[in-house]
This record gives sequence, structure tokens and C-alpha cells, in this order.
Amino acid sequence: GQNIDQPTEMTATEGAIVQINCTYQTSGFNGLFWYQQHAGEAPTFLSYNVLDGLEEKGRFSSFLSRSKGYSYLLLKELQMKDSASYLCAVRDASNYQLIWGAGTKLIIKP
Amino acid sequence: DAGVIQSPRHEVTEMGQEVTLRCKPISGHNSLFWYRQTMMRGLELLIYFNNNVPIDDSGMPEDRFSAKMPNASFSTLKIQPSEPRDSAVYFCASSPSGRGAVGNTGELFFGEGSRLTVL
Repeated sequence: GQNIDQPTEMTATEGAIVQINCTYQTSGFNGLFWYQQHAGEAPTFLSYNVLDGLEEKGRFSSFLSRSKGYSYLLLKELQMKDSASYLCAVRDASNYQLIWGAGTKLIIKP
Repeated sequence: DAGVIQSPRHEVTEMGQEVTLRCKPISGHNSLFWYRQTMMRGLELLIYFNNNVPIDDSGMPEDRFSAKMPNASFSTLKIQPSEPRDSAVYFCASSPSGRGAVGNTGELFFGEGSRLTVL
């Protein structure tokens, strides 16, 4: 079957580093996305991985291991504005559609 | 450049009434998606169009839901009759590429959403 797992909620301190994990099982793989969604707003694109390894974009980095069905989103130098839900989504190679995780609510404390 | 535009932003209606949600995708994007988001079920794909043609509507809950895309710049999602369990945020998203895109991540650009409450 198809399944994406990520923690429901995480708490971190302003200025610190946090890693949000995502594991997936899909029939075919054609890339993994991370989206950020602030409360009451639309999801916005953060990162895309299709090959193994780390993609860095400013304070945010995303890692992928296709053999392990595993990804993480790393957020550095946390700011209060990073409080949001982070959604992991995998694109199914058979129909090119995204399979979404339930999202991880990240709470940043001063 | 304008993003995906949805209307209305908020709608409160009574059970049994017809609801029409509207979406204008980003110009030049050839794929359009309708999603529903609730706390319980997260983001659910309802239907998606490629070049104005419905490709997959398997996520449409039941016959009360219908979607159209008469042209490349407009789509509607209609619920008739509406029920309280339809209460959710409905997102429209567009993408610059469909199946098998090369050199493009195919990321989705979401509208602000339409928050529907059915009493």
C-alpha cells in the first residue's frame, strides 16, 4: 500500500535546530516534496528531492534516502515565524500524483 | 504575477444548499487540482485536470460533488446538495507541468483556500 508517516507535533526553541522526519511506502517513486503551511493559510513549497542526498536552501535543508524510504527536513536558526505545519508529500511514479502525509505541527518557543 | 485565485474565501451555508467554489489558476499552468483539507483527514485530492480535461476524479466523495474546467483560466467545484460533513477548507492548486515533466519539479502552487461551513 501507500503510506507516509511523520510525527504529529514537535516543539523546539528559538535559535535551535530541528529535524522533521518522514518515512514513506509507495508503489513507485518520482520525487519527495516538503511544504510549509501556516495556520489558516495555504501550503507553500519548500523543497524537492528526487535523488539521494541533501538539498540545502538557506536555513532549510532536505535529505532523501530512496533505499530507506526516508526523508527529513532540517530547520536551522529557528525563528518564531517557523511555527507552522510541515507536510511531506511523495509523487507516485505510476500516476504522477502526490501522496500527502498528515503534517507535523512545529511549535517554536522563545 | 498573480497567484492562484479562489473565491469565495469564506462561505457559510445551510444544509441542502448548493455551493459553488471558483478558481483561477496561474496563467500558463496546464494542471489544476482541487483539494479538501480537514483536521481529521488532512489534504485529500478530489480531482485534477490536465489541459482542461479531467484526468482523475476518484477522490470526489460522491455524486453531490462535481467539477468543471471550461477553459484554461477557470474552474469550479460544485456541491449540491451540501451537507455538514462537507465543512472543510477547499484548496485549488495549479502546476506548470503534468505527467512526465522534464526539468521541472512539478510543484503545486496553492490558492488561499475557500473555508466552507455547512450548518
